[in-house]
Amino acid sequence: DTAVSQTPKYLVTQMGNDKSIKCEQNLGHDTMYWYKQDSKKFLKIMFSYNNKELIINETVPNRFSPKSPDKAHLNLHINSLELGDSAVYFCASSPRKSGNTIYFGEGSWLTVV
Amino acid sequence: AQSVTQLGSHVSVSEGALVLLRCNYSSSVPPYLFWYVQYPNQGLQLLLKYTSAATLVKGINGFEAEFKKSETSFHLTKPSAHMSDAAEYFCAVGVANTDKLIFGTGTRLQVFP
Repeated sequence: DTAVSQTPKYLVTQMGNDKSIKCEQNLGHDTMYWYKQDSKKFLKIMFSYNNKELIINETVPNRFSPKSPDKAHLNLHINSLELGDSAVYFCASSPRKSGNTIYFGEGSWLTVV
Repeated sequence: AQSVTQLGSHVSVSEGALVLLRCNYSSSVPPYLFWYVQYPNQGLQLLLKYTSAATLVKGINGFEAEFKKSETSFHLTKPSAHMSDAAEYFCAVGVANTDKLIFGTGTRLQVFP
């Protein structure tokens, strides 16, 4: 069983479109994240949620809207896609405690054309 | 503020040679430190982590890292490289009193036959 699963794995879309990436974890963790990896492989946190509550929002444009229907799911909706949004988006989860391991999904490769 | 710096964006070794990937950290409090590996087109997988229990940390696939406070370093080593070790390696620090990780810029390891 995949611990952190996200769909779709690959997504190619045109500028201006709206798209969503879904994420689910079956680890029973309280905290879920979205990280962005750019073309230079740099990884940066976007959001974190704990038990459906937004904890971290790292000055991401408000075109990005995370939604957590329950603590096992954290979806990412992106409005009005721009070329610069092309990246790999990783969902992740961890037990809520400083120093705990963060478990990552396989990533969603988003290409905006 | 906490941060990590990975020295060398690319490291090349021959199969069977020693692998040394460098990471230095900056932290005003005892840090939690992690090494993750990313194989091509995959997510991040935890190799090992330091949480102050022991300065020499052993991880998966024969990797280990030593926490050296005097040098603010957490270098990753493996005595004998294997072709399957070719990947991107990320050092990360857990930000105190939060759930988030700050990643280094990554080091690509190439292994030649």
